[in-house]
Amino acid sequence: EVQLLESGGGLVQPGGSLRLSCAASGFTFSSYAMTWVRQAPGEGLEWVSAIGTGGDTHYADSVKGRFTISRDNSKNSLYLQMNSLRAEDTAVYYCAKDIHGYSAYWGQGTLVTVSS
Amino acid sequence: EIVLTQSPATLSVSPGERATLSCRASQSVSSYLAWYQQKPGQAPRLLIYDASNRATGIPARFSGSGSGTDFTLTISSLEPEDLAVYYCQQRTKWPQVTFGPGTKVDIK
Repeated sequence: EVQLLESGGGLVQPGGSLRLSCAASGFTFSSYAMTWVRQAPGEGLEWVSAIGTGGDTHYADSVKGRFTISRDNSKNSLYLQMNSLRAEDTAVYYCAKDIHGYSAYWGQGTLVTVSS
Repeated sequence: EIVLTQSPATLSVSPGERATLSCRASQSVSSYLAWYQQKPGQAPRLLIYDASNRATGIPARFSGSGSGTDFTLTISSLEPEDLAVYYCQQRTKWPQVTFGPGTKVDIK
């Protein structure tokens, strides 16, 4: 059974940093691209970042230069380093297993709140 | 960027009735379109991929159709547990995928 478990969310001040983690199990982690998708309170879904099996990274314009996605295949883990956080980054952040460009499996999400 | 528009914003349907949801793309996405279901307080779940293929474990009452710029998600006989927001997503320019704003399905 595919399981994805996010952690690392919390309250952070504007300009601060946070590192999200996603622990994966139930599949061969190294064989799949992985994605971060976020959802602001009461809003829709927004793609944030993706990392391919070869380590190629991709970012939405809204986070480019501030967020860094990475993976550790030896630990079956996905990460999102978030720097220079803004109020508009407040959201639930989901990690997802990508299959042919679609987010086939999702974690339960971790809430990031950026506020002073 | 490919923009997805969904209609209606809210749909009220009685149990047992058919629900029809629409997703329109600002340019052709071929058949590279998915539908997700998000129940209150839960993560989204993939329902349909490549416009018309049901994901693993999805009941047969959910079906998708369309290609190019116009797509439809149909719930043939609504169940009370289908109360959710439904999002479409295109993957034509992966990884720069985009989601529609969602359609909320209420149980009448």
